[in-house]
Amino acid sequence: GEDVEQSLFLSVREGDSSVINCTYTDSSSTYLYWYKQEPGAGPQLLTYIFSNMDMKQDQRLTVLLNKKDKHLSLRIADTQTGDSAIYFCAELQGGGADGLTFGKGTHLIIQP
Amino acid sequence: DSGVTQTPKHLITATGQRVTLRCSPRSGDLSVYWYQQSLDQGLQFLIQYYNGEERAKGNILERFSAQQFPDLHSELNLSSLELGDSALYFCASSSGTSGNTIYFGEGSWLTVV
Repeated sequence: GEDVEQSLFLSVREGDSSVINCTYTDSSSTYLYWYKQEPGAGPQLLTYIFSNMDMKQDQRLTVLLNKKDKHLSLRIADTQTGDSAIYFCAELQGGGADGLTFGKGTHLIIQP
Repeated sequence: DSGVTQTPKHLITATGQRVTLRCSPRSGDLSVYWYQQSLDQGLQFLIQYYNGEERAKGNILERFSAQQFPDLHSELNLSSLELGDSALYFCASSSGTSGNTIYFGEGSWLTVV
């Protein structure tokens, strides 16, 4: 599969909003995902968005999708220390025939 | 708890050996996926099964094979192991073939010495 790109690190202050960005490559991707991975654990599905949507909100999480630019973002409102983790963007390429393609992950660091 | 169960959680084995990793999908899920996570390659898709049949193949080496059984559990067999095969191996499951919700297990940590 083609590359999904993310920044490696993001540092925010506790209580601020975190915005994690991702660019993907397959314009035929039907679903785009955000996963959270904590040390010693598997990737945890946070949220996903269908490709015909522009925005999805789920409590403190807001996902924005710009299909024209193939850009996906995850906003975490009121960031807490428990949000410290690696966040992966993923796309379902090839109509699912190629499985999920993940970015390298963004390490979210929370400053007190 | 995602509902996806993997065993063993950790194993250490020598080069040249063969190991089997086991996965039980979430109740009702027909698709099982296997992924490998390493520091340099990140999360790489290996293979997918749907209701016992191979559905999609990713970057899986010929030394590796998988199957899904009638009770829907899956096994990933890794043979002629090399040092570079040391990694976390994750199983994931979803209800459909190109499922919108794909849940991961806690992983099996393989160390080859």
